[in-house]
Order: sequence, then structure tokens, then C-alpha cells
Amino acid sequence: QSVLTQPPSASGTPGQRVTISCSGSSSNIGSTSANWYQILPGTVPKLLIHSNNQRPSGVPDRFSGSRSGTSASLAISGLQSEDEADYFCAAWDASLHGWVFGGGTRLTVL
Amino acid sequence: QVQLQESGPGLVKPSGTLSLTCSVSGASISSGNWWSWVRQSPEKGLEWIGEIHHSGTTNYNPSLKSRITISVDKSKNQFSVNLSSVTPADTAVYYCARVEQMLGEYYFEYWGQGTLVTVSS
Repeated sequence: QSVLTQPPSASGTPGQRVTISCSGSSSNIGSTSANWYQILPGTVPKLLIHSNNQRPSGVPDRFSGSRSGTSASLAISGLQSEDEADYFCAAWDASLHGWVFGGGTRLTVL
Repeated sequence: QVQLQESGPGLVKPSGTLSLTCSVSGASISSGNWWSWVRQSPEKGLEWIGEIHHSGTTNYNPSLKSRITISVDKSKNQFSVNLSSVTPADTAVYYCARVEQMLGEYYFEYWGQGTLVTVSS
């Protein structure tokens, strides 16, 4: 059971907007910040969003992040077939004094 | 360009010790960053194992703390993890990663390619 809770799956059609949620607590997302990673099949985790809503250079602006209270969300607009991947949220947990991850969401582009 | 590369045995026997090393290039391990180990398995997804600072200070996953040792070798620009008393549940792809800091916020930006470690007799 992961400390951060994500839906196991999500789907959308090309061009749609999809949102993936990540629910935490006051000791992680509520007091630190959420980061999002994309894992394409056979590849290493890629940082998509850090510090709740900051996009590293090279990440398309179709990807955006937000935080509200103890939850975070990743939004993907203009969905493309190459977005089909696993998405994980992560945060530092002040109570556990360590990093915690969500269980991951598998995104399918229909 | 920061690069990390894991190395170590791909097969470990149950009750044995898993030992992996992460070689860092393009950056100094004494740069002030934290250096982490993360593993991924189909059953558990991504799981943080622990991290080390070049000063030798460590933070460990509480659920693994009794079995983990993470160390740093500044002369070789490497850091390592030992996980003792392994079981098949420790079978996973093991990644090393560098923790970045920006304006007080932390995140993993650079990752190694990952190495599959299987625990089996």
C-alpha cells in the first residue's frame, strides 16, 4: 500500500485532456511539494513536473501540475499516443523522513 | 551532462546480500546533493530505498532500515548500497538517482539506467 494514492489507470482519446490525481497527507504533499515522473515502456523515470507545478526544460507545456491542500494533480492536454506510459507522483514525507511514491497510474491512449 | 550508472550482480541468492554501486560522471559526488537509491517492481511500483550525502549522512526507508547500508566513496565518485537478508520480494530494477534542490524544493532529476536484480536460488 503506497503512502500516496493514485488511480491505477486512466485513459483518453487523442487530443483530449486527462487528469491524474495523487492524494497524500499533511506530512508530505500538504507540507512539502509533489513531483511527477513518466515511465515509458522500457525506459527510466523522466521528471515531468517538480515543486508542484514547475516544468523542467524540454517538457512540453501540454503537461502541467497543481496542488490543493494534501493532493496534487497532473494534467495532460492535447493527449498524444506517445503519452501512453506509467505516471508516478512523489513527495518528501516529513514524518517518515523519507521519499514516498504513489502506486502509479497507467495511462492508455485509446 | 550528469550521468549515473549502476553496476553489480544481477542474481543474488535468498538470504544473501545485494550489493550495487552507482558511478557518477559529469558531476562531483561532493557537490552538496543527496544521492538516492530507488527500486521498481511490478508489485510495489517505485519504492525509495535510501539516500546519502557526501558528508556520510544517510536517510533510510523505515521499512528497509534494518537491512540497508548506503556508503559513499568520494575518491571514486561513487556511492553504493548493500541490502542484506534478501528474499524474492527484493527482486526489482534498482536505480540510483541524484536529488536536486531548487528554492528549498527537492526532486529526483537524474537517474541511472537501472539494473535488474533477481533474488533466486
